[in-house]
Amino acid sequence: GAVVSQHPSWVICKSGTSVKIECRSLDFQATTMFWYRQFPKQSLMLMATSNEGSKATYEQGVEKDKFLINHASLTLSTLTVTSAHPEDSSFYICRPLPIRTAFFGQGTRLTVV
Amino acid sequence: EDKVVQSPLSLVVHEGDTVTLNCSYEVTNFRSLLWYKQEKKAPTFLFMLTSSGIEKKSGRLSSILDKKELFSILNITATQTGDSAVYLCAVEESSGNTGKLIFGQGTTLQVKP
Repeated sequence: GAVVSQHPSWVICKSGTSVKIECRSLDFQATTMFWYRQFPKQSLMLMATSNEGSKATYEQGVEKDKFLINHASLTLSTLTVTSAHPEDSSFYICRPLPIRTAFFGQGTRLTVV
Repeated sequence: EDKVVQSPLSLVVHEGDTVTLNCSYEVTNFRSLLWYKQEKKAPTFLFMLTSSGIEKKSGRLSSILDKKELFSILNITATQTGDSAVYLCAVEESSGNTGKLIFGQGTTLQVKP
């Protein structure tokens, strides 16, 4: 069964609005959450790493003010895409630790129109 | 710079064929290598490899790691149309953010009836 629940699974929003994506760990405490982005026909790219109770670490080229990550509890991490633009349309997916066999959330397909 | 390279990038075979997918890596602090299958949604975990020369097997799929030559292969025998997917290889780093995965570009496999 799923070890992490990610919502929503898909979302369509208007350009300029913000979208929040949630990843909730089930039956365990996720001390770390990795957030990935995948554009069509490309591989997964790590965007940022969040640790419970501290600021997220962003990969080079990822705007921290645009992609807000909150990891306020051991069971919930959120990614908010602020002022979304069509180029932010992508597949966003989370992966929690400590689960060594590397399960992912179900993913969120974001379409910005 | 750490990198993971998969080949071929795409492959078309007929049902019953055997395929071999390749993954080579250059990662400073190697911990493990993982294989995933992705079909229009979140990646599904297949194998985690940590030791050289030990084959892991699951049904028609098998994989092996060579830590001296820095590569892994994923074999699929007697392919079926349901094997059509993108196969992702990822290497887990052991330093800093334990559990950070670096992904290859993926191999798109199409199995024709």
